[in-house]
Amino acid sequence: EVQLVQSGAAVKKAGESLKISCKGSGFNINYWIGWVRQIPGKGLEWMGIIYPGDSDTRYSPSFQGRVTISVDKSIGTAYLQWDSLKASDTAMYYCARRTMTTPYYFDYWGQGTLVTVSS
Amino acid sequence: SYVLTQPPSVSVAPGQTARITCGGNNIGSKGVHWYQQKTGQAPVLVLYDDSDRPSGIPERISGSNSGNTATLTISRVEAGDEADYYCQIWDPSSDWVFGGGTKLTVL
Repeated sequence: EVQLVQSGAAVKKAGESLKISCKGSGFNINYWIGWVRQIPGKGLEWMGIIYPGDSDTRYSPSFQGRVTISVDKSIGTAYLQWDSLKASDTAMYYCARRTMTTPYYFDYWGQGTLVTVSS
Repeated sequence: SYVLTQPPSVSVAPGQTARITCGGNNIGSKGVHWYQQKTGQAPVLVLYDDSDRPSGIPERISGSNSGNTATLTISRVEAGDEADYYCQIWDPSSDWVFGGGTKLTVL
């Protein structure tokens, strides 16, 4: 069974750093893993995507330089990291598995990690 | 960059048919995918490549895509269909794009 299990909710202060995780199981590492942000009451925004096989990473222009996506393929886990959080980073963050071939879409999603940043 | 436009809300009575549109420039030339997100839950894929259903998605949910509009259709709407629905495309120039989402209300 394909599963993506994300780390638990985080409460931080502005300026702090944070790294959240997404552990995949039930499939091999040849799938890109993406991250999607959802601000409370708003829609889905694609942030970036990583290929665990060689750590090739693509970022949305809206998030380039604001976050870092990484992976530890030995444990099948992808990460989303901030060096200095802002209150505007308060949101739910989802990881999702991309299909292996085109057309590209996200066929499995994690349960989400709620990040709350206070100013 | 490519933009996908959805109506903010659609309302329908139980048993009727709901149609949720997703507009984009020549979207008919792209594969469109749809996600359902119920309150407090992660999104779930309900249609891919315009009209294909993943395993477990009922036949009441169907899709079409032509010209500048893709459409998600839910027949015989039930209370359990109440959710937000998002369309999505990928192409090499725009990368990943989501529509703004449509809230389906079952009256």
